[in-house]
Amino acid sequence: DGGITQSPKYLFRKEGQNVTLSCEQNLNHDAMYWYRQDPGQGLRLIYYSQIVNDFQKGDIAEGYSVSREKKESFPLTVTSAQKNPTAFYLCASSIERDSTYEQYFGPGTRLTVT
Amino acid sequence: AQSVSQHNHHVILSEAASLELGCNYSYGGTVNLFWYVQYPGQHLQLLLKYFSGDPLVKGIKGFEAEFIKSKFSFNLRKPSVQWSDTAEYFCAVNDMRFGAGTRLTVKP
Repeated sequence: DGGITQSPKYLFRKEGQNVTLSCEQNLNHDAMYWYRQDPGQGLRLIYYSQIVNDFQKGDIAEGYSVSREKKESFPLTVTSAQKNPTAFYLCASSIERDSTYEQYFGPGTRLTVT
Repeated sequence: AQSVSQHNHHVILSEAASLELGCNYSYGGTVNLFWYVQYPGQHLQLLLKYFSGDPLVKGIKGFEAEFIKSKFSFNLRKPSVQWSDTAEYFCAVNDMRFGAGTRLTVKP
């Protein structure tokens, strides 16, 4: 059963701690993405990676870091430098189809930092 | 910079009413346009997309969208909504820029 898995579904951390969110896909997609979803703001791009060992900053990369050591995995670290980390985080991967890229999304991780 | 605007934040309709959700984008180059839907408790999924050709695009579950280049718009339509269409709808341009989303509530 192919898809994108994100774990855990809910994550709680104390302020000042770094936390890593997992994203794994078995769709054999080259590109992967991290978004943050806040009420009334839609999805905002944090980082994306089009190929292994390469990634680019999105619109709101400050306070986040990523790695792409394997095609299947694209973990996101929320660092203590992120001023407002409490949010719903979505991971996606994409495949080229009809000269465009269609994204497939994971179930998301809701991070609460207190 | 690319941006996407969805003007309706929350739309409430009765079943069988017609739906039109607005989406405008700002980008000067070639655009690929998407509508994604997020049903309660489910993953975001692709509803339909435009990449070239016929500007009227048909998607799943009876939805369609029309690309009007002169208006930089890609509005989503459905002639008769059902209670099961209750969801959040997101417009996106070039697969990485999303609008703020429109929450649709359909009353039975």
